[in-house]
Amino acid sequence: DAKTTQPPSMDCAEGRAANLPCNHSTISGNEYVYWYRQIHSQGPQYIIHGLKNNETNEMASLIITEDRKSSTLILPHATLRDTAVYYCIVEANFGNEKLTFGTGTRLTIIP
Amino acid sequence: ETGVTQSPTHLIKTRGQQVTLRCSSQSGHNTVSWYQQALGQGPQFIFQYYREEENGRGNFPPRFSGLQFPNYSSELNVNALELDDSALYLCASGPGQGGLNEQFFGPGTRLTVL
Repeated sequence: DAKTTQPPSMDCAEGRAANLPCNHSTISGNEYVYWYRQIHSQGPQYIIHGLKNNETNEMASLIITEDRKSSTLILPHATLRDTAVYYCIVEANFGNEKLTFGTGTRLTIIP
Repeated sequence: ETGVTQSPTHLIKTRGQQVTLRCSSQSGHNTVSWYQQALGQGPQFIFQYYREEENGRGNFPPRFSGLQFPNYSSELNVNALELDDSALYLCASGPGQGGLNEQFFGPGTRLTVL
């Protein structure tokens, strides 16, 4: 079973920041938070991951609360191509690369 | 483009038949994982291979089997197909045990069982 809870759907205006929340209240100390997204008819695409510090890359920022029980993925300037299902995944990084997907958040970018 | 390819793109089989799906991983990636994605659901882990040995399995019956070859290609075999096997099948390659958990997914094979 997935260890995360996400809203089933969200809308965001094009050009605005999209903030996608994720709850992972049972996260363990050695577990990372990963975000993947799946654009229609494609395989999932890695976005970002983090342990306890905030992370930023060319695609997005990841904000993890101090107690690590929740996180937010931020797409700073959403475009229509960001319309996708976004999955928040919690997994330990000790060589087991199995990913446990939930049902994710369907993000729709509105023109 | 992730460098991971899958074939065929689409496939139609009938109940009871056998099917083989193929995946070509990124060069240098020693781990390949297979996932099943039913309509409207997230991908579900089937199994993982690391250097040609099975290295973890999800909650799937033995009629789901796999092979990984030294040339970074792999296969998913499903015997005695059932209607519920209709799904998108995804393979994902990774750099290997101990590395980052970034997985590179292929575009998937959509299997329809009639």
